[in-house]
Amino acid sequence: SAVISQKPSRDICQRGTSLTIQCQVDSQVTMMFWYRQQPGQSLTLIATANQGSEATYESGFVIDKFPISRPNLTFSTLTVSNMSPEDSSIYLCSVEGGEGRPLHFGNGTRLTVT
Amino acid sequence: GENVEQHPSTLSVQEGDSAVIKCTYSDSASNYFPWYKQELGKGPQLIIDIRSNVGEKKDQRIAVTLNKTAKHFSLHITETQPEDSAVYFCAAMDSNYQLIWGAGTKLIIKP
Repeated sequence: SAVISQKPSRDICQRGTSLTIQCQVDSQVTMMFWYRQQPGQSLTLIATANQGSEATYESGFVIDKFPISRPNLTFSTLTVSNMSPEDSSIYLCSVEGGEGRPLHFGNGTRLTVT
Repeated sequence: GENVEQHPSTLSVQEGDSAVIKCTYSDSASNYFPWYKQELGKGPQLIIDIRSNVGEKKDQRIAVTLNKTAKHFSLHITETQPEDSAVYFCAAMDSNYQLIWGAGTKLIIKP
């Protein structure tokens, strides 16, 4: 199974600033997914990132707030822009396990916005 | 669109007993149903999955059953151990190949 490394593992940020989260995979994958998980809640898909094309955002998420880069088949970044306390959450990177199924997750980035 | 409901939200069982978590889905076209285990401070880990062309799948102490007619699927854990304590999520893949997640079940194993 794929090994996924996310950085940073946690951060405390001030409102109005931006944070870029990195996701590195140990094998080439076509599809990568970014999720948000609020404390004690289930997972919500933010966007799907394919290499060489623009990310596809889910309803309620926009590129200006969550810009995503996917420069190659093993790496992606998610930026949380102009942060507010409501952005405090766990952000998870996930990679395709085949046939479009996100099977593998990183350990997440725990973001607190003060 | 697809909707997944998961019950119970919290389940407390005695060590050694069995635990059952149930999920229902709404989209009859859904054909893939994974279960994930999330331990504190970690990302979700796939523990077992089932496709719509089978009714049951087992992996040691873990099993998943699927009833397509009733549109529900369940996770069964036998001989529970302290390390089974975690949050468990079910999910269903809808006709757009998106995973729709249940709300999660916090499983507590009492010693």
